[in-house]
Amino acid sequence: KAGVTQTPRYLIKTRGQQVTLSCSPISGHRSVSWYQQTPGQGLQFLFEYFSETQRNKGNFPGRFSGRQFSNSRSEMNVSTLELGDSALYLCASSSGHSKSYEQYFGPGTRLTVT
Amino acid sequence: TQLLEQSPQFLSIQEGENLTVYCNSSSVFSSLQWYRQEPGEGPVLLVTVVTGGEVKKLKRLTFQFGDARKDSSLHITAAQPGDTGLYLCAGAYDYKLSFGAGTTVTVRA
Repeated sequence: KAGVTQTPRYLIKTRGQQVTLSCSPISGHRSVSWYQQTPGQGLQFLFEYFSETQRNKGNFPGRFSGRQFSNSRSEMNVSTLELGDSALYLCASSSGHSKSYEQYFGPGTRLTVT
Repeated sequence: TQLLEQSPQFLSIQEGENLTVYCNSSSVFSSLQWYRQEPGEGPVLLVTVVTGGEVKKLKRLTFQFGDARKDSSLHITAAQPGDTGLYLCAGAYDYKLSFGAGTTVTVRA
């Protein structure tokens, strides 16, 4: 089975712009979660989508949004970028059913805001 | 908010030595997972523990889940340079994962 893929791998944007990141989960997985990872804050949960519906949301401002398509692929959008949004954005997929909630991560998108 | 505290934050040892990483919380989790992450890559799932008191072994790695399902430990026997990386514990609840800050392990040859 192919793993989780994320595109693009690297992105440089200017403050005030917006960005869209893409994630393709493992085949058969219906849950996609997004995380932001920074040296200071570690891995922080952004939101989770299951069968095209946002099931969980972390404590991030409304500039961070996402969606999931019928084929389980997901996109994350960040509007009005700030310098502090520079981070590694990770997508993880899961079957979404198990209480153990094992997640499989993609390689991440490294976003740099200048 | 479900918080997981990992200790130590950094660990540097010589090849062949043993090490233990701890993950503690005041909250109960339905499962606890351990991941290893290398620079520029996503975390890779090592193990999931579900039952209180459970012990799992993966070659030289031993994982233990506390009886009350609030804490866990990862023990590596005879560490090798290939064990170098960021070790993260994560607790599952309500279809979410809460991550610890991580332990950076460096194994010197």
